[in-house]
Amino acid sequence: GQQVMQIPQYQHVQEGEDFTTYCNSSTTLSNIQWYKQRPGGHPVFLIQLVKSGEVKKQKRLTFQFGEAKKNSSLHITATQTTDVGTYFCAGKRGSQGNLIFGKGTKLSVKP
Amino acid sequence: NAGVMQNPRHLVRRRGQEARLRCSPMKGHSHVYWYRQLPEEGLKFMVYLQKENIIDESGMPKERFSAEFPKEGPSILRIQQVVRGDSAAYFCASSPGTSNYEQYFGPGTRLTVT
Repeated sequence: GQQVMQIPQYQHVQEGEDFTTYCNSSTTLSNIQWYKQRPGGHPVFLIQLVKSGEVKKQKRLTFQFGEAKKNSSLHITATQTTDVGTYFCAGKRGSQGNLIFGKGTKLSVKP
Repeated sequence: NAGVMQNPRHLVRRRGQEARLRCSPMKGHSHVYWYRQLPEEGLKFMVYLQKENIIDESGMPKERFSAEFPKEGPSILRIQQVVRGDSAAYFCASSPGTSNYEQYFGPGTRLTVT
């Protein structure tokens, strides 16, 4: 079945360093969404990408959707301790069906 | 506008008992999704419902698990004869339309089976 793979599984960075997580699908996606889950919390929607090659920015966060609509990335510039959490990508194939979540990248930031 | 509500937040059941998890979507949202999350793992899709309809239950075990979203009242995820392996966090999410829209998650129900 359709899979959404996310790497790395864990990332430990020093505060101020950059961070990137990658999301890859075995099939073309109609859209991709990113969520953040703080420790002990619930997933919170960050952004949705729909167009091939789309790039969106939210302050220090940059989201990209690949040209083939099979991969995506989230890049955080100059991480802060408030960035700690697990970042999930979730993709959907076609107009129907549910979102398929990646296993997430757990980010820890050392002050 | 209240967010997605889930109750109970924590539920302890002995093996063989039934667990009922409730989810009230955001006001105006008619699409509900249930996910299961094991510690240090991702979100595993279970079921997608609209009012009075199950749209996709491909992620839900065929035995012991059932879900409903009645015309009135919250969505219910029911687990019969719970086993230790059912211990997990169960998240409900809602959206105003199909899964083309972002999903708003509730705080989750942490189920512990003893």
